[in-house]
Amino acid sequence: KAGVTQTPRYLIKTRGQQVTLSCSPISGHRSVSWYQQTPGQGLQFLFEYFSETQRNKGNFPGRFSGRQFSNSRSEMNVSTLELGDSALYLCASRRQGSGNTIYFGEGSWLTVV
Amino acid sequence: GQQLNQSPQSMFIQEGEDVSMNCTSSSIFNTWLWYKQDPGEGPVLLIALYKAGELTSNGRLTAQFGITRKDSFLNISASIPSDVGIYFCAGQQANSGGYQKVTFGIGTKLQVIP
Repeated sequence: KAGVTQTPRYLIKTRGQQVTLSCSPISGHRSVSWYQQTPGQGLQFLFEYFSETQRNKGNFPGRFSGRQFSNSRSEMNVSTLELGDSALYLCASRRQGSGNTIYFGEGSWLTVV
Repeated sequence: GQQLNQSPQSMFIQEGEDVSMNCTSSSIFNTWLWYKQDPGEGPVLLIALYKAGELTSNGRLTAQFGITRKDSFLNISASIPSDVGIYFCAGQQANSGGYQKVTFGIGTKLQVIP
């Protein structure tokens, strides 16, 4: 079955702009989470959605937001981009339930100039 | 944000050698996960551990869930060039709402010299 699909794969934005990234989870997975990956900070948890509701949130400013649709697809948005937002943004999905593991997409590479 | 203590952060080894890496935490986890990430790709799940003391193998990979639930190790035997990549440990625990939160280690960058 298809894995986690993220679009776009690569994008370049200018400081101050906003960006929207999209994620389609594995079929049957209703939980979607987002991570930011940078060389110095590793994988940082942004937020997790289940049934269109945010269930978990990391320590990121309010410029980072997300949402989930009824078909479990998710989007994340970053407003007022800063140079430090340049990173690989990873989406992961899993079946809801204790112990179920997460599976990652290939990520969206965001460069802010 | 919170991270696990993963070591070593990088290692160079000769092809054919065994590799060992580990993660420790001050928090208890109910699941330990190990992922591998190739350049430009997302992390791929290697092994999942669900019970304290559990020892699980996946081909040349072996991982264990520590008895205290605060640590885990990953061993790779007889390394080959395609083992090159970054290996992440991750601990999973339920938050107050019952939803699972995953915390990642900083990663171990493995280089294999042919």
